[in-house]
Amino acid sequence: GESVGLHLPTLSVQEGDNSIINCAYSNSASDYFIWYKQESGKGPQFIIDIRSNMDKRQGQRVTVLLNKTVKHLSLQIAATQPGDSAVYFCAENLNGAGSYQLTFGKGTKLSVIP
Amino acid sequence: DAGVIQSPRHEVTEMGQEVTLRCKPISGHNSLFWYRQTMMRGLELLIYFNNNVPIDDSGMPEDRFSAKMPNASFSTLKIQPSEPRDSAVYFCASSLDMYEQYFGPGTRLTVT
Repeated sequence: GESVGLHLPTLSVQEGDNSIINCAYSNSASDYFIWYKQESGKGPQFIIDIRSNMDKRQGQRVTVLLNKTVKHLSLQIAATQPGDSAVYFCAENLNGAGSYQLTFGKGTKLSVIP
Repeated sequence: DAGVIQSPRHEVTEMGQEVTLRCKPISGHNSLFWYRQTMMRGLELLIYFNNNVPIDDSGMPEDRFSAKMPNASFSTLKIQPSEPRDSAVYFCASSLDMYEQYFGPGTRLTVT
């Protein structure tokens, strides 16, 4: 889920298990959502995106689910690997279509236990 | 193709000094974004350029911060004078008419 205050939510997962990272977005008018992965000491890296006219989108080992009714986004990682350890951010286009600005959540730290 | 290039990677300076951060976006991209990342506030958008023109600078904290994009291949973010609370990692990102932004490695700024 989203961060509150100083501490990032942390999710610890056993290697090989599936991970689910959640995000509550703020604007019901947002029509584009994106997940980024940030490894320690690096910039955020694109994982997967979804538009508001979809409920689900799949990539390689990742699936994003969008529930517009409750303004909730989730990222599922199948067969989690040590290389998946990172901070994951969801982002939305608060300003709507026509602007390519993104507003990022505070992030969730995923730790994979070997 | 090289990704987004930022320099310097690390900057340590004393309060009151001028700091200039540099960014070279991916060739052909027409949007450039400057972000600041701290543990307290997360990833914040400072300013957004499109075709070298500043579109939204509402995230720039105060007049001490300024950003320029003199051409499509270069942008600077300047802080003058710097303060300890400016300590953060500053990221530059670029994109081409799309939401998927490509981030640079960041500049870690420490103001003492």
